[in-house]
Amino acid sequence: GENVEQHPSTLSVQEGDSAVIKCTYSDSASNYFPWYKQELGKRPQLIIDIRSNVGEKKDQRIAVTLNKTAKHFSLHITETQPEDSAVYFCAASGAGGSYIPTFGRGTSLIVHP
Amino acid sequence: KAGVTQTPRYLIKTRGQQVTLSCSPISGHRSVSWYQQTPGQGLQFLFEYFSETQRNKGNFPGRFSGRQFSNSRSEMNVSTLELGDSALYLCASTHSSGGAETQYFGPGTRLLVL
Repeated sequence: GENVEQHPSTLSVQEGDSAVIKCTYSDSASNYFPWYKQELGKRPQLIIDIRSNVGEKKDQRIAVTLNKTAKHFSLHITETQPEDSAVYFCAASGAGGSYIPTFGRGTSLIVHP
Repeated sequence: KAGVTQTPRYLIKTRGQQVTLSCSPISGHRSVSWYQQTPGQGLQFLFEYFSETQRNKGNFPGRFSGRQFSNSRSEMNVSTLELGDSALYLCASTHSSGGAETQYFGPGTRLLVL
């Protein structure tokens, strides 16, 4: 089955810096890659997603890039703010016709004011 | 539309007991998936129901079971609770668009087994 590796597990940045979280997946048939943000004590919420026919997608301060050849995708957050502090999960789905996502282990992002 | 709801939000049980958790998906969503979230293992897929049928299943023992009703509400049951079952249980309902399936999570039920 699909395997998703996510790095780093913890990321500490200063307010205003950029943050990058990287994920790799194992099944080249995966075609949908969502990112979720989970604040402490809250539910995971979809923040951005990308499909395999697109190389990059942006939404204000966040962007996701996808390299199908290398089977990796990344989340980029620019001009980080304290409210960006949360756990971020990447996921991959679509392999074998299954849309059940396989999640990475999560990255705890801490933005220091 | 109202979001995914889960009840109860918190639960304390003792080993050997059983528990039933409930999830109501977003109106119009027919698929409900269940996940177990623990600090060490992240989000682990339990099972998925669609139109009252279990369509996908993760690698959990038979003590974990579920069902879905005709109104798409779903329940999951854990029998003979073990200490290791302490976790946040999340359900997600699925929206299909353009060949992609996006999951929207409920707030979760935090289960503590003593």
